[in-house]
Amino acid sequence: SSELTQDPAVSVALGQTVRITCQGDGLRGYYASWYQQKPGQAPVLVIFGQNNRPSGIPDRFSGFSSGSSASLTITGAQAEDEADYYCNSRDSSGNRVVFGGGTKLTVL
Amino acid sequence: EVQLVESGGGLIQPGGSLRLSCVASGFTVSSYYMSWVRQAPGKGLEWVSVFYSADRTYYADSVKGRFTISRDNSKNTLYLQMNSLRAEDTAVYYCATVLRDMLTMDYWGQGTLVTVSS
Repeated sequence: SSELTQDPAVSVALGQTVRITCQGDGLRGYYASWYQQKPGQAPVLVIFGQNNRPSGIPDRFSGFSSGSSASLTITGAQAEDEADYYCNSRDSSGNRVVFGGGTKLTVL
Repeated sequence: EVQLVESGGGLIQPGGSLRLSCVASGFTVSSYYMSWVRQAPGKGLEWVSVFYSADRTYYADSVKGRFTISRDNSKNTLYLQMNSLRAEDTAVYYCATVLRDMLTMDYWGQGTLVTVSS
């Protein structure tokens, strides 16, 4: 199976831009999706496909994929964006799913 | 409004069995792929299983041979039968709908906690 690697923690100053990355060979064939999870809550989908946002997700969230890496960018980070962020994709078989280890985002 | 409600979690001894349920509303489960994802206390998300169809179900290596995913269209419900439970299966279990790209999980339930301990 394929693994997805994320930085454990990232911080950003309020109002600044931050990029959260996800790396893995599986990303060469499939897009990554991104999820936001706040303490005690279920994950919420924020980006999927080439760069799609579900209804209700602010446009400050965007996604990008290239080769074996994917990134989630928050342009103008807000205090409410402080959360854990996870990427996922398919594994090398194409039939199973794999998650990255998650990135804890701190907004300073 | 799409809603997923999990139930069936609880405290169970090692080696025991549990069946989790995920009742869906606002859509019909037969029209969606569906998955189970778990999260151990203080840890990240771990994919567990996916149901594409009755003859296309897949499992993480960590649960293969012990867990079985199934669906009852008449009850609009997804299940996860968990046998031979181990301490490392302790986690919050979420069910989620999966888009046709077979990886994006767009709706999630609130989760049900499974604790495996003697």
